[in-house]
Amino acid sequence: DTEVTQTPKHLVMGMTNKKSLKCEQHMGHRAMYWYKQKAKKPPELMFVYSYEKLSINESVPSRFSPECPNSSLLNLHLHALQPEDSALYLCASSQEGGNTEAFFGQGTRLTVV
Amino acid sequence: QKEVEQNSGPLSVPEGAIASLNCTYSDRGSQSFFWYRQYSGKSPELIMSIYSNGDKEDGRFTAQLNKASQYVSLLIRDSQPSDSATYLCAVYQKVTFGIGRKLQVIP
Repeated sequence: DTEVTQTPKHLVMGMTNKKSLKCEQHMGHRAMYWYKQKAKKPPELMFVYSYEKLSINESVPSRFSPECPNSSLLNLHLHALQPEDSALYLCASSQEGGNTEAFFGQGTRLTVV
Repeated sequence: QKEVEQNSGPLSVPEGAIASLNCTYSDRGSQSFFWYRQYSGKSPELIMSIYSNGDKEDGRFTAQLNKASQYVSLLIRDSQPSDSATYLCAVYQKVTFGIGRKLQVIP
């Protein structure tokens, strides 16, 4: 089973709202990722967690706050977003960080109004 | 120089033909290479992984890796309309995607 589950599938939020995106995998993977994808662009890495510790932060603005409560769960907390943050947010996981196959969830389509 | 370079213009091939997609990368320390397929509005789906020089075949798909020349390619034989999608190469040392190339298979 190579399933990564993301909720919600769609989210509309105002610029003053606080919301969270959730990601879950039960494959025993020890690395989890957040990507942001704008239309007609490739996924852009935001954060990597390896063994529940943040290992890569690609200079993401602090209005995005990741959290890894345990090895199966990954959250992305959103606060005071801008309309240009509207995008498809993708979660992925892999057995180990970096050099192993990563499997993606279906994504959360975020619209900031 | 971008870490991963991929031709971004659309590629059209007739049904039954071979589609060839290429990627070059700049980091000689890269060890793992992946091809993803992404249908419009969907998330990327892993279709091939390759770690050592040479060819790797899986059904109609063949991945080719040449570390000396720093390129990785994907061949799709007997292309089908269902193969029409954007193909992204990913190079792992630091999880970087190429820009993606849209393939259209014309029936």
